[in-house]
Amino acid sequence: TQLLEQSPQFLSIQEGENLTVYCNSSSVFSSLQWYRQEPGEGPVLLVTVVTGGEVKKLKRLTFQFGDARKDSSLHITAAQTGDTGLYLCAGVGSGYALNFGKGTSLLVTP
Amino acid sequence: EAGVTQSPTHLIKTRGQQVTLRCSPISGHTSVYWYQQALGLGLQFLLWYDEGEERNRGNFPPRFSGRQFPNYSSELNVNALELEDSALYLCASSSGFTTEGDQPQHFGDGTRLSIL
Repeated sequence: TQLLEQSPQFLSIQEGENLTVYCNSSSVFSSLQWYRQEPGEGPVLLVTVVTGGEVKKLKRLTFQFGDARKDSSLHITAAQTGDTGLYLCAGVGSGYALNFGKGTSLLVTP
Repeated sequence: EAGVTQSPTHLIKTRGQQVTLRCSPISGHTSVYWYQQALGLGLQFLLWYDEGEERNRGNFPPRFSGRQFPNYSSELNVNALELEDSALYLCASSSGFTTEGDQPQHFGDGTRLSIL
């Protein structure tokens, strides 16, 4: 099993602050996906990064895939309370199942 | 377009009982995946079905099983329930896979299973 380590595990910030969460592995992934999960709901796909060094932007969210395709980061600019949730990274493992990190739980307070 | 639907939303069982969870994929999706999200353990892959066949299973005992029907809906069965089976069980569907296997998976909201 290819392990994905996410950091930090918990993050509590105020509205307007910037933050970065990390997803690291010793294995190479063909692609990495980022999901956000809110309480009582299933994960919702935010983005898929495929090419080493790739940067994708989704409004205030910037996703980067490491050159070696072993790590990824998610940067949020000017966080809002609506960004609160569990952020999960996932890589496609054997048999096309997703290997998930344990997630970063983000709380944005007014 | 309707998303992935799962039933029931909540379930309470006792040790030793059996349970069946159900999942209806997005229309047109042929692959169904089951995941277990237990507190502190994160999302762990259970089973993958595609075109009615079990294609892969995660590191779970045989008492976790399932099937996929001709209409691509799926069931997850868990026998001889144990306390540690308490978790959110998530179903996801996708429209298949490329050679890189990166077709996005769309998740339902899960079934919360509590074992007393």
